[in-house]
Amino acid sequence: DAMVIQNPRYQVTQFGKPVTLSCSQTLNHNVMYWYQQKSSQAPKLLFHYYDKDFNNEADTPDNFQSRRPNTSFCFLDIRSPGLGDAAMYLCATSRGPGAEQYFGPGTRLTVT
Amino acid sequence: GIQVEQSPPDLILQEGANSTLRCNFSDSVNNLQWFHQNPWGQLINLFYIPSGTKQNGRLSATTVATERYSLLYISSSQTTDSGVYFCAVDPPFTGGGNKLTFGTGTQLKVEL
Repeated sequence: DAMVIQNPRYQVTQFGKPVTLSCSQTLNHNVMYWYQQKSSQAPKLLFHYYDKDFNNEADTPDNFQSRRPNTSFCFLDIRSPGLGDAAMYLCATSRGPGAEQYFGPGTRLTVT
Repeated sequence: GIQVEQSPPDLILQEGANSTLRCNFSDSVNNLQWFHQNPWGQLINLFYIPSGTKQNGRLSATTVATERYSLLYISSSQTTDSGVYFCAVDPPFTGGGNKLTFGTGTQLKVEL
């Protein structure tokens, strides 16, 4: 019954060691998003895919990249995690512009 | 960019009490959503409400788009209502997908 699935739910990585977070959806939505949420802050959009078109936010660090190999899956790659990248990473989907967004349960990333 | 402010920032209620949360935004929007973030970090959709009034059980929401605010009403609060409530808005379409900007959040604690 799950609609937006994120794996793993908790991820621990070492400083500078690349890490990949995964998101999948069963809604067949056109748009997939990645948000970063640091402790006691609101979620902040990193980038999104509209079908295969990638849209990066202007202030998203180059250290963060994303891949969307098909409609159902989207990945967040952090090339060289720093201590400041420890956060909750939230994936969301929507049918298209102006439509409701649905969020996954999130992946909590710890950097040691 | 658009500014989204929520009030109050913190709220403590006795179980059974009613409350009103407010969201003010600085520009016109295509979309407004209310979310409840539970203690595990998941964002739960409450309302998709760019304008008008909606009700769902003990919760209701009203958005007055022309005056750039939205209200979330919680009646007969329960301990399970505790968590952070976010409103999020989508400014007029400027590219692929829609991009939510989250408000500052209201931290709600409901006590027995």
